Amino acid sequence: DAGITQSPRHKVTETGTPVTLRCHQTENHRYMYWYRQDPGHGLRLIHYSYGVKDTDKGEVSDGYSVSRSKTEDFLLTLESATSSQTSVYFCAISDGEGVNTEAFFGQGTRLTVV
Amino acid sequence: AQSVTQLGSHVSVSEGALVLLRCNYSSSVPPYLFWYVQYPNQGLQLLLKYTSAATLVKGINGFEAEFKKSETSFHLTKPSAHMRDAAEYFCAVSPGGYQKVTFGTGTKLQVIP
Repeated sequence: DAGITQSPRHKVTETGTPVTLRCHQTENHRYMYWYRQDPGHGLRLIHYSYGVKDTDKGEVSDGYSVSRSKTEDFLLTLESATSSQTSVYFCAISDGEGVNTEAFFGQGTRLTVV
Repeated sequence: AQSVTQLGSHVSVSEGALVLLRCNYSSSVPPYLFWYVQYPNQGLQLLLKYTSAATLVKGINGFEAEFKKSETSFHLTKPSAHMRDAAEYFCAVSPGGYQKVTFGTGTKLQVIP
């Protein structure tokens, strides 16, 4: 299994509080992604990173920010959590070199905003 | 730019029947294509991938997919569905060359006994 660790795995937080989710990889892959998964919407890209300090927005980036200060860590921050951000969040990594372009996923973080 | 379209957010089949999950892609360069499976309350795992070596790709658990350039399709099939195949399936595309992977919205497969 690819070395991807998401923390925390479960979190309950109150509306209006900031929340940070962490993704840690041991594979030295270039790309890291944050997705949210909601019933009826499948997997939606929030932000992704293509290198240290290089990030870009995905399709549902409003209300989220990211940072990548080291190759191995990609942080997702909900600046002021809202109930609409209750979701399961997945981190993924990929390399894109040669035929090894597939993405590998973490186990997910279930976030509940009350 | 690249994209994938999965036709049908929900598919139901009887146990033992053919499974067919549809995926069409758009890519400006020859793509790498993937199918992922997600079992309930788990992360996504790679089922199979197309990397231009062969148009018919075999994956785990008896699944296979065929790359058809003329139809821009990469449909997933399995001859005989099993109850354990009930899961959500995602198609994905990458142009390779250090480009990001793009996912479809997923198809939930229900297997009826």
